[in-house]
Amino acid sequence: EVQLVESGGGLIQPGGSLRLSCAASGFTVISNYMSWVRQAPGKGLEWVSVIYSAGSPHYADSVKGRFIISTDNSKNTLYLQMNSLRGEDTAVYYCARGFPHFYWGQGTLVTVSS
Amino acid sequence: EIVLTQSPGTLSLSPGERATLSCRASQSVSSNYLAWYQQKPGQAPRLLIYGASSRATGIPDRFSGSGSGTDFTLTISRLEPEDFALYYCQQYGSSLYTFGQGTKLEIK
Repeated sequence: EVQLVESGGGLIQPGGSLRLSCAASGFTVISNYMSWVRQAPGKGLEWVSVIYSAGSPHYADSVKGRFIISTDNSKNTLYLQMNSLRGEDTAVYYCARGFPHFYWGQGTLVTVSS
Repeated sequence: EIVLTQSPGTLSLSPGERATLSCRASQSVSSNYLAWYQQKPGQAPRLLIYGASSRATGIPDRFSGSGSGTDFTLTISRLEPEDFALYYCQQYGSSLYTFGQGTKLEIK
């Protein structure tokens, strides 16, 4: 059974850093398109980033240069390193598998506030 | 970046009626890589349609997708009570995937 479990969210001050994790089971992350999608409170979905072993990662313009997507194959886990966080980064962050997103995690809330 | 515009913003219908949701792209979507998702409050989105017209596993056949190029449609043939939710389109044909702003399907 495919499962995606995000963790690492929380309250962080503006300018701070946070790393989100997405533990996968039932498949191998390295063989799949893996993405991060976020949703600000009461707002729509915003695609953030995608990684696939065969190519370079891609990022939305809103996070490019600040966020880094990566995988740890030994842990079968997807990560999102978020630096220079801003208030507008406050959102539930979902990891998703596939092209497009056939499977989703339950999400982890990131709140950027002083 | 491809901008997706969904219409209407809110659609008010009754169970048993037919729903037609639109998604228009600012430029042609490569290989018709257009998906539709359903989201209910407090839940992660669920994939309904991919490749503009292919139903995802387990999706009832009352959901259908159509269109190509820049104009796409999600049709729900006969609304069931559980279909009232938010719906998003997404293009994944460029390296920067984008979502539409969503259509809220509400009970009339």
